[in-house]
Amino acid sequence: AQSVTQLGSHVSVSEGALVLLRCNYSSSVPPYLFWYVQYPNQGLQLLLKYTSAATLVKGINGFEAEFKKSETSFHLTKPSAHMSDAAEYFCAVTSYSSASKIIFGSGTRLSIRP
Amino acid sequence: KAGVTQTPRYLIKTRGQQVTLSCSPISGHRSVSWYQQTPGQGLQFLFEYFSETQRNKGNFPGRFSGRQFSNSRSEMNVSTLELGDSALYLCASRDERGAMNTEAFFGQGTRLTVV
Repeated sequence: AQSVTQLGSHVSVSEGALVLLRCNYSSSVPPYLFWYVQYPNQGLQLLLKYTSAATLVKGINGFEAEFKKSETSFHLTKPSAHMSDAAEYFCAVTSYSSASKIIFGSGTRLSIRP
Repeated sequence: KAGVTQTPRYLIKTRGQQVTLSCSPISGHRSVSWYQQTPGQGLQFLFEYFSETQRNKGNFPGRFSGRQFSNSRSEMNVSTLELGDSALYLCASRDERGAMNTEAFFGQGTRLTVV
């Protein structure tokens, strides 16, 4: 079975500060890991994905995430927050054998203070 | 290339009614999945269709059903609506050509309100 835990339902940072959104996963098979972003009343947009290639993954809008197998983590970071980053972020896991069934975390709402 | 299109964007239905939601995947994508998003339960997998066959199913009652047509367009039906069915329903399509094409592309969703 697979699962994802996102630590912190709400994170608030100042504009220009580091963004760190935490995600831990559980998987009995090699995982595929994703971060999605959702703006109000919108669908999900893929930020980045890990599929067993490089452990440091760079995504869109300056975000990146590092796969750490020893810590079962896949935290999302951005060096400098921008007001437009305010949104809900979802960490998700799947696997090669069940790629169509994505298991999502509960989400982290990111607020940016001016 | 057009993205995943879901229609309608908003729906208001009465308890006991039934509803049909539509999803047109990205051209060439044959896998279509449906998800329900609610504040209490988050994002939950409903089912997946591939080449007109249901290939995977989540833990939802039989009132939730779907189908896929030969052009890969998919519909989702909910019968005997309950207040708890109020949610954002998201459709996602995937291109399975190539082992590394694993990400799902989501539509903007259909916001269903049951009153």
